[in-house]
Amino acid sequence: NAGVMQNPRHLVRRRGQEARLRCSPMKGHSHVYWYRQLPEEGLKFMVYLQKENIIDESGMPKERFSAEFPKEGPSILRIQQVVRGDSAAYFCASSLTGAGVYEQYFGPGTRLTVT
Amino acid sequence: DQQVKQNSPSLSVQEGRISILNCDYTNSMFDYFLWYKKYPAEGPTFLISISSIKDKNEDGRFTVFLNKSAKHLSLHIVPSQPGDSAVYFCAATGTSGSRLTFGEGTQLTVNP
Repeated sequence: NAGVMQNPRHLVRRRGQEARLRCSPMKGHSHVYWYRQLPEEGLKFMVYLQKENIIDESGMPKERFSAEFPKEGPSILRIQQVVRGDSAAYFCASSLTGAGVYEQYFGPGTRLTVT
Repeated sequence: DQQVKQNSPSLSVQEGRISILNCDYTNSMFDYFLWYKKYPAEGPTFLISISSIKDKNEDGRFTVFLNKSAKHLSLHIVPSQPGDSAVYFCAATGTSGSRLTFGEGTQLTVNP
């Protein structure tokens, strides 16, 4: 009964490097969401994906950030040329498909530190 | 534009007493509300939810109340236990299978 898996749990990058965060949804879930939590703040929506499709990316910064959820394999959140302000906890969530399904189940998060 | 607000950053209660966590929202399009609990260095854990067609939902020690006209909801925990000490987030959404909008969270501390 594996839950949402994220790796790595901790990631340290120097300014200008790339960060790749991975998320495997719960078994049977086809919807994936990424959220970011800055220090002392709540979670902010970034992007919503289904297999091979980006459904809503209205929360993604316009530059340097991208996300994908390929047919096979985990969802990837990619941050290019990281800056100190990208330091945060990044959470992935997944949900079932279907009308009336609202609950999202979260992974443990990836804590990104940019030095 | 903070559409979901939790005005109390922290709350401290005695073990066995009731904990009441509050949440206000501004967006009339929200029609489903959820509460999550979060421990440090972990992801949020889903606790309980309520649809806008109801005004109360109960699950064990947890009850969520919704006052749609006031755009206010609350989470009651009775009786409170030390293991309930965590940050509690209120979240809202308008459509199934879409983004959640979170409040800033309330740190609950239950003292033995």
